[in-house]
Amino acid sequence: GENVEQHPSTLSVQEGDSAVIKCTYSDSASNYFPWYKQELGKRPQLIIDIRSNVGEKKDQRIAVTLNKTAKHFSLHITETQPEDSAVYFCAASGTPGTSYGKLTFGQGTILTVHP
Amino acid sequence: DAGVTQSPTHLIKTRGQHVTLRCSPISGHKSVSWYQQVLGQGPQFIFQYYEKEERGRGNFPDRFSARQFPNYSSELNVNALLLGDSALYLCASSLEGGGTEAFFGQGTRLTVV
Repeated sequence: GENVEQHPSTLSVQEGDSAVIKCTYSDSASNYFPWYKQELGKRPQLIIDIRSNVGEKKDQRIAVTLNKTAKHFSLHITETQPEDSAVYFCAASGTPGTSYGKLTFGQGTILTVHP
Repeated sequence: DAGVTQSPTHLIKTRGQHVTLRCSPISGHKSVSWYQQVLGQGPQFIFQYYEKEERGRGNFPDRFSARQFPNYSSELNVNALLLGDSALYLCASSLEGGGTEAFFGQGTRLTVV
């Protein structure tokens, strides 16, 4: 089955700096890759996703890149703010259009943005 | 628009008991998935239901079962509770199955004592 590895496990940055979180996946059939932000005691919230027919996607300060050949994808947050502090999870899922929607999650990255 | 709702939000059970957790998906969403999140880890897939049929099952024992109703709401049942079942149980709703955005409920925090 799919295996997703996420690094780093913790990331500490100063406000205004950029943060990068990287994930690798094992199943070449996976082609949907969402990122979730989870604040303490709250639900995971989808912040951005990418499909395998796209190499990069950007939404304001957040961007995701995908390298299908190397089977890795990354989350980039620019101009970080203290409210970006949370746990971030990457995930991988199967072929769009099928009914098998299992998300395999990485282990999470605790991002701390210092004012 | 109401998001994904789960009930109850917190639950304390004794070892050996049975528990039923409930989930109502976003209106129009036909797929519900269940995940277990142990503190400090990413969510682990338990089940997916789509159009009332089981479409996927994770690596969990047979003590875990689920079903989806005609209105697309879902129940997760866990029998013979163990201390290790203590976790946050998350329900995710999506329009279809694979490859579409999944939105999570607030979860049910289950504590087994």
